[in-house]
Amino acid sequence: DQQVKQNSPSLSVQEGRISILNCDYTNSMFDYFLWYKKYPAEGPTFLISISSIKDKNEDGRFTVFLNKSAKHLSLHIVPSQPGDSAVYFCAATENAGGTSYGKLTFGQGTILTVHP
Amino acid sequence: DAMVIQNPRYQVTQFGKPVTLSCSQTLNHNVMYWYQQKSSQAPKLLFHYYDKDFNNEADTPDNFQSRRPNTSFCFLDIRSPGLGDAAMYLCATSSLDIQETQYFGPGTRLLVL
Repeated sequence: DQQVKQNSPSLSVQEGRISILNCDYTNSMFDYFLWYKKYPAEGPTFLISISSIKDKNEDGRFTVFLNKSAKHLSLHIVPSQPGDSAVYFCAATENAGGTSYGKLTFGQGTILTVHP
Repeated sequence: DAMVIQNPRYQVTQFGKPVTLSCSQTLNHNVMYWYQQKSSQAPKLLFHYYDKDFNNEADTPDNFQSRRPNTSFCFLDIRSPGLGDAAMYLCATSSLDIQETQYFGPGTRLLVL
């Protein structure tokens, strides 16, 4: 039972355009969501996060949108750059900031390729 | 630079031959995690240490064990590797107050022959 799903295995975008990566979840107890980026031969690195009390969080070129009713979040990258080419993982956790540990449930990842 | 280091980066073992993967960190984080990631799948949490307290995920096979002798080091022991255990093994750390933001090592790719 996969609680976090990234249904697009890959996405190809032209440099300068917007990249939109999508993620769906099924567990309504999830209250904190994160995006990680992974380059080849490196571990995932934290990119941006959002709490369930918000519907948008922005950090420079990266914006994450959360639609709780649809159990859907998306990552927007504007403008996209060739250096953004990587695998992007969506992750979710419940009871964020509480006494439980930070158990992350990951999606399968989406390979983003940004063409010059 | 503070970081999470995993050794070796590639490990080849034989079916049934015990293998140990290691992870060290210079971030001085209290929490350390081990994830298993099979090809084109999501990373899956195997277990974590909350300081010295070991927490096993319910569906982690008994074949997988872990040791944390001190804050900096954590080991993953696979007692009798099977072909299905071939995967990328990722170590991660986090601080107690921001456990959701985890810092990952580059991973060890395990091949079982």
